[in-house]
Amino acid sequence: DQQVKQNSPSLSVQEGRISILNCDYTNSMFDYFLWYKKYPAEGPTFLISISSIKDKNEDGRFTVFLNKSAKHLSLHIVPSQPGDSAVYFCAASDTSGTYKYIFGTGTRLKVLA
Amino acid sequence: NAGVMQNPRHLVRRRGQEARLRCSPMKGHSHVYWYRQLPEEGLKFMVYLQKENIIDESGMPKERFSAEFPKEGPSILRIQQVVRGDSAAYFCASSPSGTYSNQPQHFGDGTRLSIL
Repeated sequence: DQQVKQNSPSLSVQEGRISILNCDYTNSMFDYFLWYKKYPAEGPTFLISISSIKDKNEDGRFTVFLNKSAKHLSLHIVPSQPGDSAVYFCAASDTSGTYKYIFGTGTRLKVLA
Repeated sequence: NAGVMQNPRHLVRRRGQEARLRCSPMKGHSHVYWYRQLPEEGLKFMVYLQKENIIDESGMPKERFSAEFPKEGPSILRIQQVVRGDSAAYFCASSPSGTYSNQPQHFGDGTRLSIL
């Protein structure tokens, strides 16, 4: 049972344009959401998070939007840069539990110069 | 670098042998999590430990797998009698608190386990 889904395995975007990565979840108990970026042969690096009491969180070029009614979140990267090319994982947590993360399968972003 | 340290980075074992993976959390972090990533999949939670305690092992296979986080030293993920299906990347993460504190888990670079 895949509780966190990233339905787009890959995405290509031109440098300078906006990248939009999407994530859907099924468990209504999830109340904390995160995005991680991963380069080959490295561990995931934390990018940005959002709690369920908010619908938007922004950090520099990265903005995460949360739509609780649709059980959907998205990561916007503006402007996209070639160094952003990586696999992006969405993760969710039910913080009334033991704070374990449930990850999506990832979206491979390629930013074209 | 005070990040999460995992070793070895690569580990090759033959079927039936034991694999031991080590994780030293970030300085000041007392909560450790282990995740496994199979090829072309996301990370799957295995176990959550605090010093000398297993808090949640709901993601651990019931047999051959064990984890510990002793009072002194790194956390160890142990796989006995390895099989080909154990080949994966194993990631360790740490956090300063296991309760909701808006402090994300920080990951190490993983151990790539290959079973011959």
